[in-house]
Amino acid sequence: AFKLTQSPSSLSASVGDRVTITCRASRDIGGALAWYQQTPGKPPNLLIYDASTLEVGVPTRFSGRGFGTDFTLIISSLRPEDFGTYFCQQFQTYPIFGGGTRVE
Amino acid sequence: QVHLQESGPGLVKPSETLTLTCTVSNVSVNSVNYYWSWIRQSPGKGLEWLGYIGYTGSTSYNRAIKSQLTISMDKSKNEISLRLRPVTVADTALYFCAKGSTIFRGPWGLGRLVTVS
Repeated sequence: AFKLTQSPSSLSASVGDRVTITCRASRDIGGALAWYQQTPGKPPNLLIYDASTLEVGVPTRFSGRGFGTDFTLIISSLRPEDFGTYFCQQFQTYPIFGGGTRVE
Repeated sequence: QVHLQESGPGLVKPSETLTLTCTVSNVSVNSVNYYWSWIRQSPGKGLEWLGYIGYTGSTSYNRAIKSQLTISMDKSKNEISLRLRPVTVADTALYFCAKGSTIFRGPWGLGRLVTVS
């Protein structure tokens, strides 16, 4: 069965840190990957789609890289509002989400 | 702006039917090229896309849950509905409706917590 594996499952960071989150697909999905941020009590919020395209209104400190099976979300300088859980999601077939990375 | 709100029971017994409604405001559910998905979130399974219904009434379901699930549209009420049966404790989750079929730009509803017990 297809899987998206995120790492790490959680990380501890401080304001101003560079944060890197990885998402690995169990098979080639091309560039069909999106990233979301979720904060407590709210639904996920789309950050990036097509692996590297920033959604309108998302700060440029967020960036995405990767193609095929290995993808990365980078936050260049962590802000207080960036704490929360991040999910990758593939959409080459029906939508499947990764297990999440908690940034605390 | 478009607004979505989920409603329905918070507690369902095992083997019964769960019916949830998503009320859509400020746009017609059958507007051209609009798709509406149901997504659930639980500690055990994480985020799980369940299925969508499109503006023509076409549907697509997650294969893992297809036999249990029906998504429908009521244009007169401007609502999207989810019917899941029979439910088990594994269906305990926070259920979201969201605009979209492949990626989910939003809006999303705030979710409806459903416990199967």
